[in-house]
Amino acid sequence: NAGVTQTPKFRVLKTGQSMTLLCAQDMNHEYMYWYRQDPGMGLRLIHYSVGEGTTAKGEVPDGYNVSRLKKQNFLLGLESAAPSQTSVYFCASSYSMGQGGYTFGSGTRLTVV
Amino acid sequence: AQRVTQPEKLLSVFKGAPVELKCNYSYSGSPELFWYVQYSRQRLQLLLRHISRESIKGFTADLNKGETSFHLKKPFAQEEDSAMYYCALRSGTYKYIFGTGTRLKVLA
Repeated sequence: NAGVTQTPKFRVLKTGQSMTLLCAQDMNHEYMYWYRQDPGMGLRLIHYSVGEGTTAKGEVPDGYNVSRLKKQNFLLGLESAAPSQTSVYFCASSYSMGQGGYTFGSGTRLTVV
Repeated sequence: AQRVTQPEKLLSVFKGAPVELKCNYSYSGSPELFWYVQYSRQRLQLLLRHISRESIKGFTADLNKGETSFHLKKPFAQEEDSAMYYCALRSGTYKYIFGTGTRLKVLA
């Protein structure tokens, strides 16, 4: 039982490049989330999904897009990376509207140069 | 406004000393609060939630609605407790608001 798996674990991008981060969960959770973690700012919600085929904006959605074509996968895309997007990205999922808390992935460390 | 405040960025204690990580919240409804822990270069893990009133790894946290606080406590700190701790508030149906985190260092 893998839980929440994020790929890749590390990536360096040049400004203007694009990439997609993949999050996969095998717990049949309805709800999935993308957060970014920055020093002194805690975790901030980028986008989230309440079910297959649905997505919604979080606190800091600009510069990111997401898709949830399959229930188990939640993709985060950066169309044109900027240095301000250098961060650690965490995916999370939850069951039953989150009362039980989140299950987090191990994170993706992204550096944009 | 809904907010979670962790006033301490860093807390250093000696092994065996008591620990209290502070968390204050601002929320108009009935709050659901959680503590998450992140050990060095590992994923965030749920430590405990106020609904369960449980003790995990010796840590406890009591919700004080009068003081709008959910402080995390442990009577005797261990070196393996060194980690980043985040307080989180469930906001609305399925979203969470996280505090900025407190780094706990337990010194030998």
